[in-house]
Amino acid sequence: DAGVTQSPTHLIKTRGQQVTLRCSPKSGHDTVSWYQQALGQGPQFIFQYYEEEERQRGNFPDRFSGHQFPNYSSELNVNALLLGDSALYLCASSLSAGAYEQYFGPGTRLTVT
Amino acid sequence: QKEVEQDPGPLSVPEGAIVSLNCTYSNSAFQYFMWYRQYSRKGPELLMYTYSSGNKEDGRFTAQVDKSSKYISLFIRDSQPSDSATYLCAMSARGGATNKLIFGTGTLLAVQP
Repeated sequence: DAGVTQSPTHLIKTRGQQVTLRCSPKSGHDTVSWYQQALGQGPQFIFQYYEEEERQRGNFPDRFSGHQFPNYSSELNVNALLLGDSALYLCASSLSAGAYEQYFGPGTRLTVT
Repeated sequence: QKEVEQDPGPLSVPEGAIVSLNCTYSNSAFQYFMWYRQYSRKGPELLMYTYSSGNKEDGRFTAQVDKSSKYISLFIRDSQPSDSATYLCAMSARGGATNKLIFGTGTLLAVQP
């Protein structure tokens, strides 16, 4: 049973650039949430996708956007990158939008220079 | 004030010791409580999941929730060097359309052989 997968593993971008991160949920899960984890901090909720719609959003600017595809996979897009966007970006999947058990992928480490 | 407070450590114990990890929270709406283990440069792994108050045991791990004190704990018995990791507490409120998790900052645990 494949767990949550994310790509790429890591990448380096320059300030002002745009980046797209990808996530495939655990088999049988239809809900994907994205979190940002800065060094030495706990993950912070960015947003959640269910039925191809953004259901809830954390305290992140509009530069952060996402998408969910019919196969439940998801993308996180960040525009106009800032140095402060450097972090581990985590994708978590769950059985439904109301399910509280979330399973995380390995993350994508983004470095902005 | 953060919604969830967690001592970042580091906490260093000898192999075989009993480890106690704790979090406090301020939001009385939190009903679901989780503990995640995160190894260096990896995604968080769900360890324990508890609803409302009470205890839950799984092998060497015991999770306790005291809603009256807004305090949760994770106990690890017979700690092993392989338990060395960052332990994150996470919480979620009941109801609503999503299951957004609020995390503590994580406690770094080192079990010395």
